[in-house]
Amino acid sequence: DTAVSQTPKYLVTQMGNDKSIKCEQNLGHDTMYWYKQDSKKFLKIMFSYNNKELIINETVPNRFSPKSPDKAHLNLHINSLELGDSAVYFCASSQDRGWRGYGYTFGSGTRLTVV
Amino acid sequence: KNEVEQSPQNLTAQEGEFITINCSYSVGISALHWLQQHPGGGIVSLFMLSSGKKKHGRLIATINIQEKHSSLHITASHPRDSAVYICAVSKAAGNKLTFGGGTRVLVKP
Repeated sequence: DTAVSQTPKYLVTQMGNDKSIKCEQNLGHDTMYWYKQDSKKFLKIMFSYNNKELIINETVPNRFSPKSPDKAHLNLHINSLELGDSAVYFCASSQDRGWRGYGYTFGSGTRLTVV
Repeated sequence: KNEVEQSPQNLTAQEGEFITINCSYSVGISALHWLQQHPGGGIVSLFMLSSGKKKHGRLIATINIQEKHSSLHITASHPRDSAVYICAVSKAAGNKLTFGGGTRVLVKP
């Protein structure tokens, strides 16, 4: 039973295309996140949702739009893909905003390559 | 300058050696996290600390809140410990993680 599952695992697409990455968690966690890992392996927050409400929206181009239909799902849609969007995108979840006693659970990542 | 700094960036050890990775942060935090990323890419949460020390198997994590410093120790290291170890902090607002740059550990047999 996968706790946080992301699809697809690999995504190769051409510049200018629109693509989506899906994430689902079966842990009953309240909060879900999208993180981006760049080519230097540095991780950075993109978005966070708590109970379907957007609570963190870092400086991310508005070509990136998260959607949370329910608290178990957080999808990431990317319009007009650019070469610089190539990265690994990780979904994660935590309970009660991750306060003491609760850690994070990460998905296995989606490697996006824009050609 | 990053809010979270790790050292060293790379570390090579012989099997059986004791390994220490350090993490310093410059902001107020609610918790500090140690994560492990294997060559396959998946990220696993090892510890979440807000004070003191935690131990799990051969891994020990400590934190000194006053000094804004944490260490991750691996005792009796093994080649399967080879991975990137990432320190991250969560602050009071929003609980997003802010990450250090990672320490790449290679344990040779």
